[in-house]
Amino acid sequence: GQQLNQSPQSMFIQEGEDVSMNCTSSSIFNTWLWYKQDPGEGPVLLIALYKAGELTSNGRLTAQFGITRKDSFLNISASIPSDVGIYFCAGPEKKTSYDKVIFGPGTSLSVIP
Amino acid sequence: GAVVSQHPSWVICKSGTSVKIECRSLDFQATTMFWYRQFPKQSLMLMATSNEGSKATYEQGVEKDKFLINHASLTLSTLTVTSAHPEDSSFYICSARPARNQPQHFGDGTRLSIL
Repeated sequence: GQQLNQSPQSMFIQEGEDVSMNCTSSSIFNTWLWYKQDPGEGPVLLIALYKAGELTSNGRLTAQFGITRKDSFLNISASIPSDVGIYFCAGPEKKTSYDKVIFGPGTSLSVIP
Repeated sequence: GAVVSQHPSWVICKSGTSVKIECRSLDFQATTMFWYRQFPKQSLMLMATSNEGSKATYEQGVEKDKFLINHASLTLSTLTVTSAHPEDSSFYICSARPARNQPQHFGDGTRLSIL
């Protein structure tokens, strides 16, 4: 079945630094989703990407839908302590429905004040 | 918009007890809701898809009789962990989507600890 891989697995950065993480798949996805999960809470949708090559921003976050449709990138600029959490990429298994969404293993981000 | 509420947020109970977790869509109707399980430092694993007015669809390896799902209204789905044992301790998260072509939004999860 479809699988997503995320790298790096974990990151420890200094407050104020920029962060870059990526998500890859062996098969094509038509939509890429980026979620953030704070400790002890459910994931929150950050950015949704619908078109190959699309670059979308949400505040200090920017995500891109790779041209090959097999990867996506998430960048965080000028990190702050509240950016701490686990970032998951995800994509729907089927083109026309979000009924079954595949999640990556996550990238754990720690920000050192 | 698209707020999903989950209750309770934390449950501690004795082995053998049945535990019910509620998932509500607060500002939209959801004909379909989803139940996930998450172990520490791991990703979300889909357990089942809850369908309003019909039987839930369970993922391979998930025991239907162990994890009872009821979706009696367009805004409420419940997951009952029957005769819970310590190995059922986990973080259970529900989600719902406002429409078939829109992303899922998640509740805040329920931390279940079985002693």
